[in-house]
Amino acid sequence: DTAVSQTPKYLVTQMGNDKSIKCEQNLGHDTMYWYKQDSKKFLKIMFSYNNKELIINETVPNRFSPKSPDKAHLNLHINSLELGDSAVYFCASSQGNGAGNRQPQHFGDGTRLSIL
Amino acid sequence: EDKVVQSPLSLVVHEGDTVTLNCSYEVTNFRSLLWYKQEKKAPTFLFMLTSSGIEKKSGRLSSILDKKELFSILNITATQTGDSAIYLCAVVGGAQKLVFGQGTRLTINP
Repeated sequence: DTAVSQTPKYLVTQMGNDKSIKCEQNLGHDTMYWYKQDSKKFLKIMFSYNNKELIINETVPNRFSPKSPDKAHLNLHINSLELGDSAVYFCASSQGNGAGNRQPQHFGDGTRLSIL
Repeated sequence: EDKVVQSPLSLVVHEGDTVTLNCSYEVTNFRSLLWYKQEKKAPTFLFMLTSSGIEKKSGRLSSILDKKELFSILNITATQTGDSAIYLCAVVGGAQKLVFGQGTRLTINP
């Protein structure tokens, strides 16, 4: 009964490949997020979707493309992977946008992406 | 640009000690400040603070916010080895997104 689940947990691939990470939440939340955590453990937001609509799009290379088929899912596709993409990617969800409704975000366990 | 700075970056103490973790911030249109604990995997939510001077408490953990001086502290009393983790502070401002600090790595030695 995991609240926010990501797959896969680990992803090892070669430079130049295209890969996807999936995220699903069963909390009934309407907002979902993708974060990147680098080797220094610094968590930085990449994207946010509210009711399937993109509301936050940080300065992220356009090789990264989020897709939200419905409120419970937010997938992240990455084209032409580069060495600098190696990191842990976290999905999160909240009810409301995490600010206006004063609701905290709940995080998945992360996907560790390693680029060879 | 919104900014969160945590200190210390790393702290090592003995079991039973009391620790205080600091978080200072600069944010436009402050809405809330949150504390998370990250062990091996997902950051887990601890507290959300929106008003100055009101202490939030959960067991041995407590936190308070000072909106005038733009900082928050997280206190842990009678620390246990299970408290070892990275503690993350984040703020939400007008941009309606969580901006995280770099975290404090807390190690509790038996």
